[in-house]
Amino acid sequence: EVQLVESGGGLVQPGGSLRLSCTTSGFTFSTFDMHWVRQATGKGLEWVSAIGIVDDTYYPGSVKGRFTISRDNARNSLYLQMNSLRAEDTAVYYCARGIRWSWGRGTLVTVSS
Amino acid sequence: DIQMTQSPSSLSASVGDRVTITCQASQDINKSLNWFQQKPGKAPKLLIYGASNLETGVPSRFSGSGSGTDFTLSISSLQPEDFATYYCQRYDNPFTFGPGTKVDMK
Repeated sequence: EVQLVESGGGLVQPGGSLRLSCTTSGFTFSTFDMHWVRQATGKGLEWVSAIGIVDDTYYPGSVKGRFTISRDNARNSLYLQMNSLRAEDTAVYYCARGIRWSWGRGTLVTVSS
Repeated sequence: DIQMTQSPSSLSASVGDRVTITCQASQDINKSLNWFQQKPGKAPKLLIYGASNLETGVPSRFSGSGSGTDFTLSISSLQPEDFATYYCQRYDNPFTFGPGTKVDMK
């Protein structure tokens, strides 16, 4: 069974940093593109970042230069380093496996003073 | 960047109704389209990939069609568990989602 479990969310002040983790099991992690997607309360889904199997990375303009996605194939884990956080980054952050997308349950990030 | 739009933004329907949701891409995306279902407080669930391929375990009342810029998700006979929000998504960089279509009970 494919499983993805996010962790690392919490309350952070504007301008602060946070690192999210996603531990996976049930599939060959190293052979899949991986993604982070977020959802603010009552809003739609927003793709945040992607990393390919050769560590190629992709970001939308809203987070480029502030967020960094990375992976550790030995640990079957995905990460999202978030810097210079803003109030508008407040959301549930989901980890997702690409191709036949599977999702974790999400972790809540709140940016507030 | 390619933009994804959906219509309607919401609809009210009854159990047994046929429901159709459309998704439009601002440029040709061939068949690179996913459809997801999301219920409140839950993670999204993949229904359709490659515009028309039913994900394993998804009931056959769900179907997808289209290519290029215009796509459709259909539910042939709405069931109580189908009341949810539906999103289309282009699955190439940037992996843009549509704004969603909320299906609620009439």
